Amino acid sequence: NAGVTQTPKFQVLKTGQSMTLQCAQDMNHNSMYWYRQDPGMGLRLIYYSASEGTTDKGEVPNGYNVSRLNKREFSLRLESAAPSQTSVYFCASSELRTYGYTFGSGTRLTVV
Amino acid sequence: DQQVKQNSPSLSVQEGRISILNCDYTNSMFDYFLWYKKYPAEGPTFLISISSIKDKNEDGRFTVFLNKSAKHLSLHIVPSQPGDSAVYFCAASASSSNTGKLIFGQGTTLQVKP
Repeated sequence: NAGVTQTPKFQVLKTGQSMTLQCAQDMNHNSMYWYRQDPGMGLRLIYYSASEGTTDKGEVPNGYNVSRLNKREFSLRLESAAPSQTSVYFCASSELRTYGYTFGSGTRLTVV
Repeated sequence: DQQVKQNSPSLSVQEGRISILNCDYTNSMFDYFLWYKKYPAEGPTFLISISSIKDKNEDGRFTVFLNKSAKHLSLHIVPSQPGDSAVYFCAASASSSNTGKLIFGQGTTLQVKP
């Protein structure tokens, strides 16, 4: 099925470890986004890529880096994981400057 | 600073009755608003949207109302069904930002009782 694929679905990290969350979309969308969902906080934008070759910070970028590898793929990297980064991470894509996002099913990350 | 606020964390209604979910925003540059629905262990899915040039948009059982002067929008679900039980997020965007990014509220968990 066409859509947004996130890997892994679950991950447990120790404090200080690094990891990369992968996201790929097959809808030929130009824009891609990373959000985190925390109880009582809703969905908060970490980083986004409005088009291939560009990336920008969102509301909560500290502790994260991103790479827009090509039009399909947008990865999120945690260089030194902290317990505050325990969250559910969602990747989304859309056509440039439209708002009907398609979301992936999420990555549940626990940092101990 | 929360630019989009959903002040009711949860709402419980009886099947067949109306569900009303509310959302307030503070940024006057926002001109496009959306509602997303999220089931457990799934990503959010788009439900309905409205542009600031309108005050109402309807799609089947779902209607979104926008009151620009009050910076308030609401989602009405009539009649409510048990399958509507989910978390509902409102979101807003400013077309002038030219980025397509959305700012989401905290979410409201709707429970529809049979």
